[in-house]
Amino acid sequence: GAGVSQTPSNKVTEKGKYVELRCDPISGHTALYWYRQSLGQGPEFLIYFQGTGAADDSGLPNDRFFAVRPEGSVSTLKIQRTERGDSAVYLCASSLGGGSRNEQFFGPGTRLTVL
Amino acid sequence: RKEVEQDPGPFNVPEGATVAFNCTYSNSASQSFFWYRQDCRKEPKLLMSVYSSGNEDGRFTAQLNRASQYISLLIRDSKLSDSATYLCVVNPGPGGYNKLIFGAGTRLAVHP
Repeated sequence: GAGVSQTPSNKVTEKGKYVELRCDPISGHTALYWYRQSLGQGPEFLIYFQGTGAADDSGLPNDRFFAVRPEGSVSTLKIQRTERGDSAVYLCASSLGGGSRNEQFFGPGTRLTVL
Repeated sequence: RKEVEQDPGPFNVPEGATVAFNCTYSNSASQSFFWYRQDCRKEPKLLMSVYSSGNEDGRFTAQLNRASQYISLLIRDSKLSDSATYLCVVNPGPGGYNKLIFGAGTRLAVHP
């Protein structure tokens, strides 16, 4: 079956611009996660959705970052006034439910470059 | 101090070698432990969960030492296809059941 998909695969933008990154989770997965991976580092947790609600947004670095999941399926990560330090691969993952017993399946990521 | 620490490597080994990776975690309340594999410019994929009693999956053996707060991964009879970055991953438990904390990864290069 189809895995997690993310669009675009690459995004180049200029400092100060607004970007949206999209994630389509595996069908039937109620839990959705966003992570950010910088070069040479492991993924870093940003936010977790259970259904439509953001159950844990403790990893969002500041108020320029926001994510939504209005219908409990597709999610969009929104970054305002982008900065060069936002350049990274943004990974989305989904799982059947929350908690540590459900395997998280990752998408291929969106590589964001802020010039 | 990072929550999950790994030796970055790279580990360069010949085919057929046995190689071991270690990882330490700082939060003693951590609940679940995993090894993920990440190929270059690809997404992380679950390799195996790690249980207190130790567990084995083919050529891969994972062990957890809660008292010392470290996790290990042993790969026997290395294959060229094992070349990748291996990420040590912890679920922090209370207050963070739904997030994964990743180490920076250990790079493995298996050569002919």
